[in-house]
Amino acid sequence: GQNIDQPTEMTATEGAIVQINCTYQTSGFNGLFWYQQHAGEAPTFLSYNVLDGLEEKGRFSSFLSRSKGYSYLLLKELQMKDSASYLCAALDSNYQLIWGAGTKLIIKP
Amino acid sequence: SAVISQKPSRDICQRGTSLTIQCQVDSQVTMMFWYRQQPGQSLTLIATANQGSEATYESGFVIDKFPISRPNLTFSTLTVSNMSPEDSSIYLCSGRTPGYDTGELFFGEGSRLTVL
Repeated sequence: GQNIDQPTEMTATEGAIVQINCTYQTSGFNGLFWYQQHAGEAPTFLSYNVLDGLEEKGRFSSFLSRSKGYSYLLLKELQMKDSASYLCAALDSNYQLIWGAGTKLIIKP
Repeated sequence: SAVISQKPSRDICQRGTSLTIQCQVDSQVTMMFWYRQQPGQSLTLIATANQGSEATYESGFVIDKFPISRPNLTFSTLTVSNMSPEDSSIYLCSGRTPGYDTGELFFGEGSRLTVL
């Protein structure tokens, strides 16, 4: 079956760095997405990786290892507004998105 | 980025009634999808809305319960029929821009339905 695993909840301190991990098992693979979802709002796109390696975009970076079925989202210089759920989603061979349950990130002052 | 407008944003409904959610996208979007997100859970794809033809439903979702229309490229509706409390959820319209395999998904604001 197809499956996405990510931690349910994480806590970090303002100004620090946090890494949210995601492992996936899909029928084929056409890339991995990270979305941010604030409470009561729709998800918004953060990043897309299809090749191995690190993609950096400002304070946020995303890493992919296709051989390990593994990705992470790295958030630097955490701000209170980064408190949100972070959804990992893999694109399978049919170009369907398989979604993880999301990681709720709590930022403390 | 694509703009997706969805309404109603929230509603409280009585058991046994039906509610139609409308979704308007801008012209950049080629594919449209309807998702459900129950509290604290991930997104579940209900169906892909196909222009001018029947939607493609995912396992566990049927047309009688969730009829979907997409009369043109930029508009779609999802009806939640004969509602029960188990249908209380957030329903999200989403669209994908061209670049099928890499195009990101854009989401509407969501419709939060509470069924009493």
